[in-house]
Amino acid sequence: DGGITQSPKYLFRKEGQNVTLSCEQNLNHDAMYWYRQDPGQGLRLIYYSQIVNDFQKGDIAEGYSVSREKKESFPLTVTSAQKNPTAFYLCASSIRRESYEQYFGPGTRLTVT
Amino acid sequence: SQQGEEDPQALSIQEGENATMNCSYKTSINNLQWYRQNSGRGLVHLILIRSNEREKHSGRLRVTLDTSKKSSSLLITASRAADTASYFCASVLTGRRALTFGSGTRLQVQP
Repeated sequence: DGGITQSPKYLFRKEGQNVTLSCEQNLNHDAMYWYRQDPGQGLRLIYYSQIVNDFQKGDIAEGYSVSREKKESFPLTVTSAQKNPTAFYLCASSIRRESYEQYFGPGTRLTVT
Repeated sequence: SQQGEEDPQALSIQEGENATMNCSYKTSINNLQWYRQNSGRGLVHLILIRSNEREKHSGRLRVTLDTSKKSSSLLITASRAADTASYFCASVLTGRRALTFGSGTRLQVQP
């Protein structure tokens, strides 16, 4: 099955700890994206990558970091510098660039207490 | 501010009725996309309409685009309880390299 996977589905962390969210795709897509969604809100772009070993900040990159060492993988680290990390995190990919349709993973719900 | 603003924010209808959602945007676009999200799940792409298209159909979905008014609408005909979800429009703003999503319309279809 081709698709995009995120793990874990639920994640609980104590304040002050870094946490890494996994995102893997086997669609052979070049571009990958991370979004944050707060309750009842739309999606806000955290980081995106259009090619391996390259990525750009989105609208709310502060307190987050990413890497793109492999085409299939785009992990997101939520650092202790992120002031309000509790949210629903969505990873997406697209075949080439931003104007193409995006395929989304199932999301990771992060709760930090 | 959000590129795409959906209207209404919430919509409740009976099964079998049509549901219309609107989206407005501020800058020029190459295309506009509509996505659906079931509660607590990822988004699913529904339809993409290019800037040189005025209307597009996919099954029970009909999307229109009016570039002069910078607006789009999504019509779901003969709605079903399974259509209950949030619907988002998205487009690429001028000068940006990623989609910008609106805040969505929450559709509730009563059986």
